[in-house]
Amino acid sequence: GAGVSQTPSNKVTEKGKYVELRCDPISGHTALYWYRQSLGQGPEFLIYFQGTGAADDSGLPNDRFFAVRPEGSVSTLKIQRTERGDSAVYLCASSLYGPIGEQFFGPGTRLTVL
Amino acid sequence: AQKVTQAQTEISVVEKEDVTLDCVYETRDTTYYLFWYKQPPSGELVFLIRRNSFDEQNEISGRYSWNFQKSTSSFNFTITASQVVDSAVYFCALSEAGAAGNKLTFGGGTRVLVKP
Repeated sequence: GAGVSQTPSNKVTEKGKYVELRCDPISGHTALYWYRQSLGQGPEFLIYFQGTGAADDSGLPNDRFFAVRPEGSVSTLKIQRTERGDSAVYLCASSLYGPIGEQFFGPGTRLTVL
Repeated sequence: AQKVTQAQTEISVVEKEDVTLDCVYETRDTTYYLFWYKQPPSGELVFLIRRNSFDEQNEISGRYSWNFQKSTSSFNFTITASQVVDSAVYFCALSEAGAAGNKLTFGGGTRVLVKP
C-alpha cells in the first residue's frame, strides 16, 4: 500500500512569508506526527495528532507554527512569518497504534527560508 | 525528561567488518519503548526495531542484532558483515508510555560509511 506522502518535496521561500506543508498519512492510521530535522541532527518532535485533535503540541517552537488535521487524515503544518532559522526538513509520520507503535515516516519537505 | 545519546557521530568501516552503534538513554518512566531507525542517503527514515522496557532479550534479524541492557540504560545495535548498502545514518529513539509518551525522542544519529 501507499506510504506516507508529503508535499511539496522542496519549498523555497523568503523571510517573512507564510508556508503550508502537507502530509498524507497511511490510510487508517489515526496517529500523526510532525518532526523537524535540522542538518546533521536527529528529528525533533513538533506535534502529535490522535484523530482530528492535537493531543500534544509541546514541541511547536512558537506561535508562528500551527498544524491542523480537520478530517482526521491529511494534516497541514502552517508557518507564519518564516525566519531563516526555520530552514530544515519537516518530517511527517503516522502510526496505527499511537506513540508506542512503529511510526512510518514520509520523505519530508525541505524548507529553505532565504 | 527523556534523552537519547549517540556518542559516535561517524563510523567508517571496510565491507564485511562488523560495526556496533552505541545508544544510551535517560528516562524516569519504568515503561518505555526503544527504537532504531535507518536514514539512507535518500532521506526517508526506515524503522528497524522496537523494544519495550520489559523485554531485555537480545534480538537478531539477519545481519542485524540488538543488545538491550537496562542496568546501563543502553540499547546498542550491531551490523555483522557490513555491506555498502548499510551506509546510512542510524538513529536510536525513545518513547515513554506515560503522559509524555506522545513522541519519539531521537539521538543525534551515527553516520555509518561502509567502504568497498
